[in-house]
Amino acid sequence: DSGVTQTPKHLITATGQRVTLRCSPRSGDLSVYWYQQSLDQGLQFLIQYYNGEERAKGNILERFSAQQFPDLHSELNLSSLELGDSALYFCASKKGGGNQETQYFGPGTRLLVL
Amino acid sequence: QKEVEQDPGPLSVPEGAIVSLNCTYSNSAFQYFMWYRQYSRKGPELLMYTYSSGNKEDGRFTAQVDKSSKYISLFIRDSQPSDSATYLCAAGSQGNLIFGKGTKLSVKP
Repeated sequence: DSGVTQTPKHLITATGQRVTLRCSPRSGDLSVYWYQQSLDQGLQFLIQYYNGEERAKGNILERFSAQQFPDLHSELNLSSLELGDSALYFCASKKGGGNQETQYFGPGTRLLVL
Repeated sequence: QKEVEQDPGPLSVPEGAIVSLNCTYSNSAFQYFMWYRQYSRKGPELLMYTYSSGNKEDGRFTAQVDKSSKYISLFIRDSQPSDSATYLCAAGSQGNLIFGKGTKLSVKP
């Protein structure tokens, strides 16, 4: 158990809908990362937050947004969902914003868009 | 060309074999390198972390980084059925990690 929690574990929804994925980082970790994992693309970095501020952006679509709250939990919002958004979404956390610290991954949310 | 390339396998070996997993990367700015193991329906878990070039050993696992050839390797000695998983290499700089697509390993008893 990495100490990172994600809810829900599974989510089934329809195209055009909006969903919110939630992540609680390890105790004391200030950085939260969001990743999307699909069979054809592998693990893709979406966005990073550090202590409530956006720190880095990866391959995140404009339909997707995220935020980190004062208690350091983070939410990833996916809107106008398309079939291709079906994937595993992982959250990872680490203590600081530095380069050399390792990330610890949560168990993921499996999203299925029908 | 993707920044981190990894043969997806699958790779099947008998129990006790030495396993070699490899990745190549294209960005010479990458400074730190990691191997993650991911069991089916689970999140990736960190196996090995290496900063810059060189070898690092931890039990049955050895990670190697050759920055001159931009090559990353993970060796597993005396492989066990419990090592069956997908192994993801990752390379990074400036706080951002780029992952390979993962190699699926199966160790047969």
